[in-house]
Amino acid sequence: EVQLVESGGGLVQPGRSLRLSCAASGFTFGDYAMHWVRQAPGKGLEWVSGITWKSGRIDYADSVKGRFTISRDNAKNSLYLQLSSLRVEDTALYYCTKDSMVAAPPGVGYFDYWGQGTLVTVSS
Amino acid sequence: SYVLTQPPSVSVAPGKTARITCGGNNIGSQGVHWYQQKPGQAPVLVISYDSDRPSGIPERFSGSNSGSTATLTISRVEAGDEADYYCQVWDSSGDHYVFGTGTKVTVL
Repeated sequence: EVQLVESGGGLVQPGRSLRLSCAASGFTFGDYAMHWVRQAPGKGLEWVSGITWKSGRIDYADSVKGRFTISRDNAKNSLYLQLSSLRVEDTALYYCTKDSMVAAPPGVGYFDYWGQGTLVTVSS
Repeated sequence: SYVLTQPPSVSVAPGKTARITCGGNNIGSQGVHWYQQKPGQAPVLVISYDSDRPSGIPERFSGSNSGSTATLTISRVEAGDEADYYCQVWDSSGDHYVFGTGTKVTVL
């Protein structure tokens, strides 16, 4: 059974940093691209960042480019998102999601499994 | 940037058909995926690549895509179908994944 468990969320002041983690199990983690998708309270879904299976290709939404850094450790079956220079508008539930296609470039697959999310609240 | 526009809400009586549209420039040339999100839960894929239904998703869910509009159709609507629905595509010009604005389906 595929499981994605996020952690690392919390309350943080504007301008500070936070690191999110996602522990994956139930599939061969190193074969799939992974993504972060966020959802602000009462709002819609927003793709944040994606990383291919061997970290050869990384993409970011314009809203976070230059402030967030995605990474992965295939040996530890883990995905990470470093959030820096946080803004109030970054407040959201951050979901870890798995790409549906094995060893595929961006855009080919869809998000077939989602974690339950970790909440990041940016407030002074 | 690429924008996907959905109606904010759709209301439907039980047993009837709900149609949720997703409008985007030449969206018919792309693969569209649809997700269902119930309150307090993570999204779940209900349709991939315009019209493919994952295992475990009822046949009542179907999709189509042509021109500037993709459509998710829910036939014989049940109370359990009440949820938010999002369309999603890959914007190759911007190297971004894009979600639609979302549609809240209310079963009367």
